[in-house]
Amino acid sequence: AQKITQTQPGMFVQEKEAVTLDCTYDTSDQSYGLFWYKQPSSGEMIFLIYQGSYDEQNATEGRYSLNFQKARKSANLVISASQLGDSAMYFCAMREGIQGAQKLVFGQGTRLTINP
Amino acid sequence: GAVVSQHPSRVICKSGTSVKIECRSLDFQATTMFWYRQFPKQSLMLMATSNEGSKATYEQGVEKDKFLINHASLTLSTLTVTSAHPEDSSFYICSAPTGGRNTIYFGEGSWLTVV
Repeated sequence: AQKITQTQPGMFVQEKEAVTLDCTYDTSDQSYGLFWYKQPSSGEMIFLIYQGSYDEQNATEGRYSLNFQKARKSANLVISASQLGDSAMYFCAMREGIQGAQKLVFGQGTRLTINP
Repeated sequence: GAVVSQHPSRVICKSGTSVKIECRSLDFQATTMFWYRQFPKQSLMLMATSNEGSKATYEQGVEKDKFLINHASLTLSTLTVTSAHPEDSSFYICSAPTGGRNTIYFGEGSWLTVV
């Protein structure tokens, strides 16, 4: 069974600082995908970044990067130069298989608050 | 712009009535869509997989007769909450894979309140 764990219920960061949101996962599959989503108070799920289990390089998307440590089964999200608009819930999610069904298992989420 | 559209964004219905939520893929075809439910301050839980041209696949513990899913076309899936009760009040959100292995987009979500 898959499991995603986000151990930080809440994070408070000063504007312009970098922040790391933790995510660990548990799977017996060799092929899997890891996602991070941002959920503002409106509820929409905004795709941020993806890392495949066979990707050798850590994924980066603008200010977002994923610190993928496969042996430790961790996929932490790093947000550089945080902005007030980054305040939201952040969810880590995993998909089993690369070519398989595109359903996701989500972690509990981390509420990030950026202070001015 | 949005690649998955969901409607309505908010709906209030009376206990005992049914309510339909639509999920549309924009500019791409989705043979599979997914429906999730999210209670306040909790994570998303997969309810069911909507399959175009065949029956939906429900996750364990999800009542098939209560949450009817119809994948009428390659761009539209609907979730109908039948005989709604206040405990069905929740945030419902759909997703549709675009075909690329690293692109799973979500609709805007629907807030359901049953009074």
